[in-house]
Amino acid sequence: AQSVTQLDSHVSVSEGTPVLLRCNYSSSYSPSLFWYVQHPNKGLQLLLKYTSAATLVKGINGFEAEFKKSETSFHLTKPSAHMSDAAEYFCVVSSMDTGRRALTFGSGTRLQVQP
Amino acid sequence: NAGVTQTPKFQVLKTGQSMTLQCAQDMNHNSMYWYRQDPGMGLRLIYYSASEGTTDKGEVPNGYNVSRLNKREFSLRLESAAPSQTSVYFCASVSRGEFSTDTQYFGPGTRLTVL
Repeated sequence: AQSVTQLDSHVSVSEGTPVLLRCNYSSSYSPSLFWYVQHPNKGLQLLLKYTSAATLVKGINGFEAEFKKSETSFHLTKPSAHMSDAAEYFCVVSSMDTGRRALTFGSGTRLQVQP
Repeated sequence: NAGVTQTPKFQVLKTGQSMTLQCAQDMNHNSMYWYRQDPGMGLRLIYYSASEGTTDKGEVPNGYNVSRLNKREFSLRLESAAPSQTSVYFCASVSRGEFSTDTQYFGPGTRLTVL
């Protein structure tokens, strides 16, 4: 079965400093991996996705993530945090091992950005 | 193009009452999904519909029923609400049903409280 572990439930950074949100996954097959963002009282928006092409994936709003198969990781980074980045971030995996036609979500990381 | 819409946005029920959550998408997507979001648990799949006329159970189907009314609409029904069903419910759709690579588009959510 596939699973996702987001290593930090809360991350706090200062505006203008780098962001690192950590994600590890487990999958028996080659996975597809996604990062979604959820702003307060809003739905989920796709930031970026990895689907077996380039291992460094660039997304919207300056975010990027690197797929590292040897470490089973897909960490999300941004060079310089902005106040508008404060939100909850979900790492998501999808693969064929369960046959389930949906996604497995991590428990989320809440990002706070201090002025 | 409204994307994925959900009604109602908020609902309070008493234990034992029934209600239906509505979801519609105008992107001509084949597959639709219902998730629930609980604190610290990410999103969990309740039911999904790979195509018009088909529905399947997800991870947490107990206490729910669904109807894929047509290609646009996918409703979720609680026959006898329980406090454990207090949650935020999200509907999502994906274009080709290739869940492993396609982006899922999410609605804004329905906040349900069962007293």
